[in-house]
Amino acid sequence: AQKVTQAQTEISVVEKEDVTLDCVYETRDTTYYLFWYKQPPSGELVFLIRRNSFDEQNEISGRYSWNFQKSTSSFNFTITASQVVDSAVYFCALSEAQTNAGKSTFGDGTTLTVKP
Amino acid sequence: DAGVIQSPRHEVTEMGQEVTLRCKPISGHDYLFWYRQTMMRGLELLIYFNNNVPIDDSGMPEDRFSAKMPNASFSTLKIQPSEPRDSAVYFCASSLGLAGGPYQETQYFGPGTRLLVL
Repeated sequence: AQKVTQAQTEISVVEKEDVTLDCVYETRDTTYYLFWYKQPPSGELVFLIRRNSFDEQNEISGRYSWNFQKSTSSFNFTITASQVVDSAVYFCALSEAQTNAGKSTFGDGTTLTVKP
Repeated sequence: DAGVIQSPRHEVTEMGQEVTLRCKPISGHDYLFWYRQTMMRGLELLIYFNNNVPIDDSGMPEDRFSAKMPNASFSTLKIQPSEPRDSAVYFCASSLGLAGGPYQETQYFGPGTRLLVL
């Protein structure tokens, strides 16, 4: 069965600090997709990134970077030089291509608070 | 291009009343998903449609919940009768395809409907 674990329930940092949000997943499929979503205080879910299981290249987008490591089944998200606007709940999600196609499993989320 | 549209954004009702939540997916997206988010259970997939046909409704909590998609641009989630434990944020999402399919499977979410049943 597919499973996503975000062990960090809450993280609090001071502005300009770097912060890494952990995501560990479980799946038996060889083809799958991983996602990160951001849920700011306003409540909407904003798509950040998608990664397929065959692409382990790390990705950087501005202050955001993602580290995908199949060997440890992890897809961690790092925010560099955090800002107050980064305060939100961040969700990691997994979609299997074979066993449970169509059913995305979300982690419980990590609440990030960035203090000025 | 407009994103996923949901209405109403907020709904307050009394126990026993019927509640209807509405969703308009992104144009051209063949898949539509309904999720429920609560503090206790996180994000749960309730049901999803492909080309207006319900594919998997195993997440629907009980018979009080029903969902329809009469056409490609409109879906409803109905709760009748509503109960206080149905209070949650209900999200609708749409995607071009499914994971493993030939199209982008990224799900784009609407703003959600915050439901409070008193």
